[in-house]
Amino acid sequence: AQSVTQLGSHVSVSEGALVLLRCNYSSSVPPYLFWYVQYPNQGLQLLLKYTSAATLVKGINGFEAEFKKSETSFHLTKPSAHMSDAAEYFCAVRDFGNEKLTFGTGTRLTIIP
Amino acid sequence: GAVVSQHPSRVICKSGTSVKIECRSLDFQATTMFWYRQFPKKSLMLMATSNEGSKATYEQGVEKDKFLINHASLTLSTLTVTSAHPEDSSFYICSAKSRDLANTGELFFGEGSRLTVL
Repeated sequence: AQSVTQLGSHVSVSEGALVLLRCNYSSSVPPYLFWYVQYPNQGLQLLLKYTSAATLVKGINGFEAEFKKSETSFHLTKPSAHMSDAAEYFCAVRDFGNEKLTFGTGTRLTIIP
Repeated sequence: GAVVSQHPSRVICKSGTSVKIECRSLDFQATTMFWYRQFPKKSLMLMATSNEGSKATYEQGVEKDKFLINHASLTLSTLTVTSAHPEDSSFYICSAKSRDLANTGELFFGEGSRLTVL
């Protein structure tokens, strides 16, 4: 079964600094990969997804992620953090042919003014 | 497009009562809906998968008689927490897979429903 590991349950960055949220997956074949953001007491909003097309995926709000098969990673980045980026971020994986999403444990991003 | 709405967003009930949470796909037909439970500061735990017109498939450890799921139409699924107890208090989130976007693997999530059982 596939699994997702998010390194760092809490990440703090200064406003304007680089955001890097780490995600590693385990899967026997290249899966579908997703990053979701969750604001307090809200559902999940899709930031971006990898579905075996381009390895560098651009999403909403200036976020992007790069699929690296050799490292089984799908880290999320944003060049310059904004206060509104403070939220919980979840990496998720779904194997081709399987409907279920498996979520990582989440990373809480705090932006320091 | 691809909006999923949950209702109610917040509900408080007394122990022993039943609570129904609705999940609607507003602008697409959902062949499959998923129900998750999220504990405070934790990830999402898949409870069950429901396909329109058939019985839900529950994950291991989830009591199907306690968490009744109905997927009566392509736009509506309901989760009923029966005989609720304080330990059932949680944030419940549904997601839906669009019939037209099935190959993308993308799921669309509702806003979540916070259940508090007194």
